Amino acid sequence: NAGVTQTPKFQVLKTGQSMTLQCAQDMNHEYMSWYRQDPGMGLRLIHYSVGAGITDQGEVPNGYNVSRSTTEDFPLRLLSAAPSQTSVYFCASQRGANYGYTFGSGTRLTVV
Amino acid sequence: AQTVTQSQPEMSVQEAETVTLSCTYDTSESDYYLFWYKQPPSRQMILVIRQEAYKQQNATENRFSVNFQKAAKSFSLKISDSQLGDAAMYFCAYRTNTNAGKSTFGDGTTLTVKP
Repeated sequence: NAGVTQTPKFQVLKTGQSMTLQCAQDMNHEYMSWYRQDPGMGLRLIHYSVGAGITDQGEVPNGYNVSRSTTEDFPLRLLSAAPSQTSVYFCASQRGANYGYTFGSGTRLTVV
Repeated sequence: AQTVTQSQPEMSVQEAETVTLSCTYDTSESDYYLFWYKQPPSRQMILVIRQEAYKQQNATENRFSVNFQKAAKSFSLKISDSQLGDAAMYFCAYRTNTNAGKSTFGDGTTLTVKP
């Protein structure tokens, strides 16, 4: 099925560890984004990309890196995990400005 | 900076009744888009409806419709004939045409549907 695939669905990290959250879409969407969702709050933008080779920071970029080498993939790297990064992470893609997002199923990350 | 406010953290509705969820936003832009997303307990985010700011006509998708008041910067979602499957958290979101990679979300409204 076409859509946005996120892996893993669940992850537990120790403080200081690094990891990469994977995101892939097969809809040829130019725009891709990473959001985090904390309890009782909406989604906050971490990083986004408007095309292969182009990325930019969102509202809460500190502690995260991204790259966009292909249209399909947009991985999110946690450099040195901290308990404050415990959250649910969503990857999303969109065809253009006037289109809604297609979201992945999310990754629940716990940092202990 | 653009902000999106959902003033109702929780709402409830009787099955088959109608409920309206509120959303206001702050912007100095004239060309933008507004969205409502649904997040059921499964956690999957689903697009419900979208509205282009340049269109005066309110968007409608089956039982879901919006009341878009551009001057008041208000974008409410009306759910008619509510069903048990409508129970979810609903998020309002805003995006400009000039910065299409960024969307701003409200904090959400949790909707309970009573049988």
